[in-house]
Amino acid sequence: AQSVTQPDIHITVSEGASLELRCNYSYGATPYLFWYVQSPGQGLQLLLKYFSGDTLVQGIKGFEAEFKRSQSSFNLRKPSVHWSDAAEYFCAVGDILTGGGNKLTFGTGTQLKVEL
Amino acid sequence: EAGVTQFPSHSVIEKGQTVTLRCDPISGHDNLYWYRRVMGKEIKFLLHFVKESKQDESGMPNNRFLAERTGGTYSTLKVQPAELEDSGVYFCASSQDRVRRNEQFFGPGTRLTVL
Repeated sequence: AQSVTQPDIHITVSEGASLELRCNYSYGATPYLFWYVQSPGQGLQLLLKYFSGDTLVQGIKGFEAEFKRSQSSFNLRKPSVHWSDAAEYFCAVGDILTGGGNKLTFGTGTQLKVEL
Repeated sequence: EAGVTQFPSHSVIEKGQTVTLRCDPISGHDNLYWYRRVMGKEIKFLLHFVKESKQDESGMPNNRFLAERTGGTYSTLKVQPAELEDSGVYFCASSQDRVRRNEQFFGPGTRLTVL
């Protein structure tokens, strides 16, 4: 069964500092990988996705993520964090093997706090 | 274009009562998903509709949960009778079709509290 691990439950960074959120997955084939963000009172918003091809993926709001098959990782990065980036971030893997649908398996989320 | 909407945003009920959550997907999206996040845990898949048919309901916790999608438009998720462990945030998502490869658009969620 597929699984996603986000080892950091909470992270605090200063505004302007760089950010890296970790994500490791377990999946039996080439994964479909996603990062979502949830701001307070909002739904989950897709930041970026990886299906195939270039392993460095650019997303919205200046985020990027790198797929590393050898490490089963898909870490999210941003060179300079803004106060508005404070939110909860979820890594997810898509299930396409069974043909039964495209259900997502999520990690437990990382809560990001930005200090001014 | 309107996004995925969910109603109500919050619901507080007593144990043993019934609650019905509603989800309106993005117009034209055949795929509709329900997920749930229990406090402090990961968001978990409940079920997947393709139009009005249940494609995968492997995540439904038990028979107290009933999901419907009449006419292939909006969907409802009924919990009857509700138990304390049903508390959490229920998310709905929709996607256009499989060719779009899992790009699911999520609603804001319904926070359910069972007392």
